[in-house]
Amino acid sequence: KNEVEQSPQNLTAQEGEFITINCSYSVGISALHWLQQHPGGGIVSLFMLSSGKKKHGRLIATINIQEKHSSLHITASHPRDSAVYICAVRRTSGSRLTFGEGTQLTVNP
Amino acid sequence: DTAVSQTPKYLVTQMGNDKSIKCEQNLGHDTMYWYKQDSKKFLKIMFSYNNKELIINETVPNRFSPKSPDKAHLNLHINSLELGDSAVYFCASSQQGHTEAFFGQGTRLTVV
Repeated sequence: KNEVEQSPQNLTAQEGEFITINCSYSVGISALHWLQQHPGGGIVSLFMLSSGKKKHGRLIATINIQEKHSSLHITASHPRDSAVYICAVRRTSGSRLTFGEGTQLTVNP
Repeated sequence: DTAVSQTPKYLVTQMGNDKSIKCEQNLGHDTMYWYKQDSKKFLKIMFSYNNKELIINETVPNRFSPKSPDKAHLNLHINSLELGDSAVYFCASSQQGHTEAFFGQGTRLTVV
């Protein structure tokens, strides 16, 4: 069992839909990252969270430390949001990031 | 200016060859990483370097060796390449502690 689990693995949505991607982890962490991998392979860091909620444009990330769970929400989804979204946690000991397996999101026009 | 840059972007080579992938970061970060992404898009950490010292060495084959001439560079050397080494390799950097991780664009390695 991976220390970081994401769901769903694949998600297809229609343009305009509200999207939620979930991440659960089983280790003690100091921070959680949401990353976006573009179809071309490049990776962009979307959020880094240690508590609460962050918002950037149409993207919202939340984390519940007690429940060891985080969600990434996309409002008014658009085809350009199609990408792999990856959750990664930074352990409380050391600087290593442990990754979930990613969620492949496809938004159809 | 690219924050984390990897070269080459694509690398096709034959089994048994030795190859290197270079990584440079201009962010002043003190920690750099190499990740291997398999066909299922799963990122697995290979190495982490902090201030030129190896702090985590995952159980990767000895054929893989990281080399860091200075804290802005972390190169990946692979000896005796095998078919199973085909993957996308990502370099990343961060500052020790609670900061963002910045990734390179990836190097797609194909071993034939």
